[in-house]
Formats: sequence, structure tokens, C-alpha cells
Amino acid sequence: AQSVTQPDIHITVSEGASLELRCNYSYGATPYLFWYVQSPGQGLQLLLKYFSGDTLVQGIKGFEAEFKRSQSSFNLRKPSVHWSDAAEYFCAVGLMEYGNKLVFGAGTILRVKS
Amino acid sequence: NAGVTQTPKFRVLKTGQSMTLLCAQDMNHEYMYWYRQDPGMGLRLIHYSVGEGTTAKGEVPDGYNVSRLKKQNFLLGLESAAPSQTSVYFCASTYRGGWTEAFFGQGTRLTVV
Repeated sequence: AQSVTQPDIHITVSEGASLELRCNYSYGATPYLFWYVQSPGQGLQLLLKYFSGDTLVQGIKGFEAEFKRSQSSFNLRKPSVHWSDAAEYFCAVGLMEYGNKLVFGAGTILRVKS
Repeated sequence: NAGVTQTPKFRVLKTGQSMTLLCAQDMNHEYMYWYRQDPGMGLRLIHYSVGEGTTAKGEVPDGYNVSRLKKQNFLLGLESAAPSQTSVYFCASTYRGGWTEAFFGQGTRLTVV
């Protein structure tokens, strides 16, 4: 079945440490890929997106993500985490072939310890 | 620009009551979506619309109805609320389909007792 998988429900990192959040998808074609962030009590904000071309994409707030077709992955990274990065992060897939839907993973909650 | 606005922000319903959630966007977007967010389950698509006068079912449509009479508005209705519909509801809109950036409202926290 088609799906978007974020295998880590919670991740805790120390402030200043590097971060990688994992995302895998299982769709036949290369989908359009997104990472969104949700701060507590807020809506979702787009961090970055991949449509085609360079497989390493840069986003806001110092985040980047790399698309790896062979692994069907789109992992989010940040070299040095700040306390304000504590939030929930969602990987999402935009599907033209399935009614123009935007499908989300279950989310990863990031905690930052000082 | 206000972007995407949801009303109300909070609501408590009794089982069996009905209500309508309103989503309004001022970006002239074609596509609008209703999601529900539950802990550990991410956002699940309830219904969506690809243009004025159109609606389509998402992953979890049962117990909900929608209407898109005007391009800027997308209404989500609960005819007979159930405790299982306790959730946070988000509306989103995109200029085109899922391959363009989605803009989200602030959410509606609904509790059904």
C-alpha cells in the first residue's frame, strides 16, 4: 500500500548537535516531497520541498533535505540544532496520480535539551 | 493577507449534535483540504476540493460532509457528532494540487463528550 513513513516518533538532541529526521515513501512514481514543521498550538509551515533537479534542497531556518531515489527516502537534516527547533516535523508527499492529494507521515516530535 | 482562516478555534459538542467548521482563504487557491490530526497518526485527509462546486473523499470521510459553494470557502460538517471525532481539524489550500505548497489554518480543536 502507498504510504509515507516516519520511523521515529520522538527524537531528543542536545542544542548545537546535528539532526537527521527520516522519511520514506512507497509510491511507484517519484512524488513531490515536502517537510512541514508544526510548533505547539500552531498550524503547519513549509520548511522545504523537492520537485526535481538537485537532490539536495535547502529550506528555511537552516534545514536541508536529500532525496535518494534508490532508497525512496527524503531525510531532513540540520547541522546545529537550536532550542527553538523543538516542534513536530511532518514529511509529506504530493500525488498527482491519486486525486491531487497531499499525504502526510505520522510526524516526528523533536525535543531539544540544553 | 489573512491566508487561511478557520472558525471556530475551539468547540465542545455533545454526542449527536451537529456543527459546521468554516475555512476561508483569500489567496485565490483552487484546491482546499480538510485534515484531522490525532496523536501518533499525523494528518489524515477527510475530504478535499479541486475547485468551486467540487468535493471528493479522502482517507477518513465517514461521518463528515463538505461543501464548496464559493471558491474561497470550504465547509466541513458533522451531522451527528461522535466521541471518535474528537480531534484537531486543519484546513489547507493550494494554488493547484498536492505538488504546490499548502497553506494551513491554525486549526480547530473539537471535543465531543
